[in-house]
Amino acid sequence: GQQVMQIPQYQHVQEGEDFTTYCNSSTTLSNIQWYKQRPGGHPVFLIQLVKSGEVKKQKRLTFQFGEAKKNSSLHITATQTTDVGTYFCAGLGSWGKLQFGAGTQVVVTP
Amino acid sequence: SAVISQKPSRDICQRGTSLTIQCQVDSQVTMMFWYRQQPGQSLTLIATANQGSEATYESGFVIDKFPISRPNLTFSTLTVSNMSPEDSSIYLCSVAGGGTDTQYFGPGTRLTVL
Repeated sequence: GQQVMQIPQYQHVQEGEDFTTYCNSSTTLSNIQWYKQRPGGHPVFLIQLVKSGEVKKQKRLTFQFGEAKKNSSLHITATQTTDVGTYFCAGLGSWGKLQFGAGTQVVVTP
Repeated sequence: SAVISQKPSRDICQRGTSLTIQCQVDSQVTMMFWYRQQPGQSLTLIATANQGSEATYESGFVIDKFPISRPNLTFSTLTVSNMSPEDSSIYLCSVAGGGTDTQYFGPGTRLTVL
């Protein structure tokens, strides 16, 4: 079946460091969305990418959509303690529903 | 984005009982969904709540276990029936609409079944 895979599942980062989380789909996606879930909270929409090769930035967060529209990445620069949480990618494919990845749980050490 | 509330926020229930979770949105929305999130896991779609008709269930979820109502465009309920400890999870409603498939989630209901 259709799957959206996300790696790594766990990321331990020193404050100030950069890190990247990756999302891959077995099929071409119509769009990909990214969500952040703080500990004890609910998923909150961050951004949506639609076009092949699209790059969007939100302050220290950079989101990319691959040329083939099968993969995406989220890169965070100069990580802060406020970046703690789980980041989910979610792909919308031909199956018509949003498929969430497993998530990357980010822990930041001061 | 819509403001979404869920009731109850948490509950502890006995095995074999049922719990109904309510989801209220502050504006009319086209699409409403129910998800389950087990501890430390991703989100699994249970069903799409359709206004005025039966919900559309995903593989592995059935109406007898998770009956859903959606009487209007701002409200939906999910019942977890005949509960077992395996049903312990966070249940989230989400909404989408206005020509976009971006989803906005409610705060969730944390269910523990003893």
